[in-house]
Amino acid sequence: AQSVTQPDIHITVSEGASLELRCNYSYGATPYLFWYVQSPGQGLQLLLKYFSGDTLVQGIKGFEAEFKRSQSSFNLRKPSVHWSDAAEYFCAVVSSGNEKLTFGTGTRLTIIP
Amino acid sequence: NAGVMQNPRHLVRRRGQEARLRCSPMKGHSHVYWYRQLPEEGLKFMVYLQKENIIDESGMPKERFSAEFPKEGPSILRIQQVVRGDSAAYFCASSGGSSYNEQFFGPGTRLTVL
Repeated sequence: AQSVTQPDIHITVSEGASLELRCNYSYGATPYLFWYVQSPGQGLQLLLKYFSGDTLVQGIKGFEAEFKRSQSSFNLRKPSVHWSDAAEYFCAVVSSGNEKLTFGTGTRLTIIP
Repeated sequence: NAGVMQNPRHLVRRRGQEARLRCSPMKGHSHVYWYRQLPEEGLKFMVYLQKENIIDESGMPKERFSAEFPKEGPSILRIQQVVRGDSAAYFCASSGGSSYNEQFFGPGTRLTVL
């Protein structure tokens, strides 16, 4: 069965600093990978996705993620965070023909001035 | 183009009552998914439906929960005889059309069971 691990429950970063959120997945074939962001009391917004092709994926709000098959990872990065980036971030995977998303437990990002 | 709509946004029920959660997918989307988010946890898949068909209900509790997506109208997630453990945020997502495999999420319904 596919699974997603986000090892960091909570990360605190200074505004303007760089950010990397970790995501590891377990799946036999090439998965479809996603990063979603959830602000408090809100729904999920898609930041970026990887289906195939270039392993470095650009998303909205200045985020990017890199698919590394050898490490089964899909880490999310941003070179300089803004206070508005404070939110919960979820990594998710879906297998072709399966349709259902499997989510990690999320990483809560706090931004300090 | 309106996004995925869910109503109500907040729902309060007493133990033993029924809860009905509605989801209208994005225009052109024929696939609907329901997920549940318990406090301090990630989202868990519940059920996947297409029009008039349940495709995958492997995440649905065996009792009290049911879902439908009729030919006309929104998808409904129904919880009978609610218990306090049903308190959670319930999210609907839809996919289809030109963005196959990408799921677009609604704002969620936050169910509180007293």
